Amino acid sequence: ETGVTQTPRHLVMGMTNKKSLKCEQHLGHNAMYWYKQSAKKPLELMFVYSLEERVENNSVPSRFSPECPNSSHLFLHLHTLQPEDSALYLCASSQAGLAGGRTDNEQFFGPGTRLTVL
Amino acid sequence: AQSVSQHNHHVILSEAASLELGCNYSYGGTVNLFWYVQYPGQHLQLLLKYFSGDPLVKGIKGFEAEFIKSKFSFNLRKPSVQWSDTAEYFCAVNPMNTGFQKLVFGTGTRLLVSP
Repeated sequence: ETGVTQTPRHLVMGMTNKKSLKCEQHLGHNAMYWYKQSAKKPLELMFVYSLEERVENNSVPSRFSPECPNSSHLFLHLHTLQPEDSALYLCASSQAGLAGGRTDNEQFFGPGTRLTVL
Repeated sequence: AQSVSQHNHHVILSEAASLELGCNYSYGGTVNLFWYVQYPGQHLQLLLKYFSGDPLVKGIKGFEAEFIKSKFSFNLRKPSVQWSDTAEYFCAVNPMNTGFQKLVFGTGTRLLVSP
C-alpha cells in the first residue's frame, strides 16, 4: 500500500477546461515532486517542492501551475492544455536533507493520474 | 545536461534465465544511483540504490546491481528470473549537489518473463 495517493486516477478534459490533480503523502516527508510519464520517453521531472517552497521548475509551460499548501499536499492546476500533454502524471515524495545536507532516502511514488486531453 | 541510457527497451526471457539490464549515465560528478520497478497496474517502487561504499548493491527479490564508476554504469542483474518479475524497470541518477533528489530517469526496459 503506497503512502502517496493521487486523485483522480483518470481524467479526460477538453483544451478549454480547467482541472486540478491532487497528491497527498502520509509519510511525513518534506519534499514533493511532479513527474510526467509519456510513452517512449523518460520520466520528466516537472516541479520540486522542498519545505513547501518551489525549488525546481524544469521549463514547464505556464499552463501547468503547481501548488503546495503544506508538506502533505501537492496540486497541479491545469488550464488550456494541448493534446500532447496527455500522459501519466506521477507525484512523489521524499525526505530531503535540510540546509542542503545530503540524503540517500528514496522517492516514494503515487499511482499516477492518467490524463487525456481531447 | 545529465542523461541516463537504458540500452534494451524490451527483453523477453524464459523463467530461470539470467537477467542483465544495462544502464549508463552521463554525469561527471558524484551520483546516487537507483533502479525502480513498475509491475503491471502498480506504482513505481524502489528495487535498490547505491549511495556509497560497496559498489555491488543487493536489493529486494534477489536483484543486484554493480556500480562501475569508470564505465559510468549501473547494470541490474538477477541470476534466475521468475514470471512475477515481468515489469518495467527504470534506472535513475541523482547528481549529489542538492538536498532534495533530482532524479534523471532512463526510458525504461520492459521485461516479459514467459513461464
